[in-house]
Amino acid sequence: GAGVSQSPSNKVTEKGKDVELRCDPISGHTALYWYRQSLGQGLEFLIYFQGNSAPDKSGLPSDRFSAERTGGSVSTLTIQRTQQEDSAVYLCASSLAGREGPKNIQYFGAGTRLSVL
Amino acid sequence: GQNIDQPTEMTATEGAIVQINCTYQTSGFNGLFWYQQHAGEAPTFLSYNVLDGLEEKGRFSSFLSRSKGYSYLLLKELQMKDSASYLCAVRDSNYQLIWGAGTKLIIKP
Repeated sequence: GAGVSQSPSNKVTEKGKDVELRCDPISGHTALYWYRQSLGQGLEFLIYFQGNSAPDKSGLPSDRFSAERTGGSVSTLTIQRTQQEDSAVYLCASSLAGREGPKNIQYFGAGTRLSVL
Repeated sequence: GQNIDQPTEMTATEGAIVQINCTYQTSGFNGLFWYQQHAGEAPTFLSYNVLDGLEEKGRFSSFLSRSKGYSYLLLKELQMKDSASYLCAVRDSNYQLIWGAGTKLIIKP
């Protein structure tokens, strides 16, 4: 597809279960970002991948959160032992170059709405 | 800490003009972005400012004053489809985007 694709679009899970969220970036984009969007708050940075460099994990809120990017393309965000406070929309974005580039535009997917019961 | 402030909600009339303000306090500055987000959809890029002044793009314009830590997004000839949230984001000294909570714009006929 032409844009960033995320799946599933909605996920309902029970407290304590693990969930995996998937992101397919735009083909050829070297950088990939995960954000969390909660009601009434700005997007919260989670993690950043750029090429073969070590990811910037500084935004991950706890060790229950992890992410990987295989083959420089698809990324999976995993949340272990989900808690109710994890309920939010998880957005993925990609950009053609790394975030230090001039006018680095990030292109977003529609997100995964996670509800933890 | 880092902070981006924008009004929570604004209402305007179809055909009118509206200005959405954004003030910021960040660790460094490497550009300011405006995105549009319709409910349940992906944020989409609108504009980018890194130097002071006005950037015009069709019905949308964006202004930046770095000395004042201030930007605004100006929407002219409002259409019903402009009803959306408008997100202001600043790229800080680490090139990380710091986001405001967004301004929900309601357009009335």
